[in-house]
Amino acid sequence: TQLLEQSPQFLSIQEGENLTVYCNSSSVFSSLQWYRQEPGEGPVLLVTVVTGGEVKKLKRLTFQFGDARKDSSLHITAAQTGDTGLYLCAGRSGTYKYIFGTGTRLKVLA
Amino acid sequence: DTGVSQDPRHKITKRGQNVTFRCDPISEHNRLYWYRQTLGQGPEFLTYFQNEAQLEKSRLLSDRFSAERPKGSFSTLEIQRTEQGDSAMYLCASSLFRHHNEQFFGPGTRLTVL
Repeated sequence: TQLLEQSPQFLSIQEGENLTVYCNSSSVFSSLQWYRQEPGEGPVLLVTVVTGGEVKKLKRLTFQFGDARKDSSLHITAAQTGDTGLYLCAGRSGTYKYIFGTGTRLKVLA
Repeated sequence: DTGVSQDPRHKITKRGQNVTFRCDPISEHNRLYWYRQTLGQGPEFLTYFQNEAQLEKSRLLSDRFSAERPKGSFSTLEIQRTEQGDSAMYLCASSLFRHHNEQFFGPGTRLTVL
C-alpha cells in the first residue's frame, strides 16, 4: 500500500519566519502535487512536480521533488498570515488514483 | 463557469437513512473523482469516472456506496443505510484528460450521521 507521510503535522510560527514541510514515501510516484485547503473548502492546487530533482517556485513558495521521486518538500519564505491552512501533498498511484498525505496544518501568527 | 459545485454543502441525517450528493464538474472536464475526508486527515480516494465510465473504485467504497455519472456530466454519490462512521466531508474533483494532474476540487458536502 502506498502511503505519503507529511511532517510536521502541526506548525505554528510568527509572521516573517521561514518554514519547510516534508512529504515522504517509500514508493515512487510519477508525479506529486501540493495543495492548500482552508476550513470548510476543497483543496486548491498549488503546484505539480513530475521530474526527479525538479524545483518550482511560486512567489514565496519553493517546491522540490526528490531525485528518486519518493519525497518532496515545500519551503515558505517570510510566512504571512494568509499562508495559514492545511497543506497536502498527493501522489499519482497508477493511472487514475491519487494518494493524499495526512497534511500539515500551518498557523501563521501576526 | 466558476468551478466545481457540490450540493448540498451540509447534510445531517439519522443512521439508517439514505443520502445522495451531487457534483457538477467544470464544463468539458471529462475526468471526475470522489474523495472522502475525515477530520485531521487528507482526502481518501473513493472512485473515478472518465466520461460516463466508472474506471476505478476504492475498497473503501462498500456495497452501501454507489456513484453514477450519467451522460458524462454531473455525478451523484449515494450512501444507503448510513452509519455514524460515514460522517465525513465528501469531495468531488474534476480534470481535463490531457491535464489529468490538475484536479479542481469542489467545496465538498459535509455529512453528519446521528
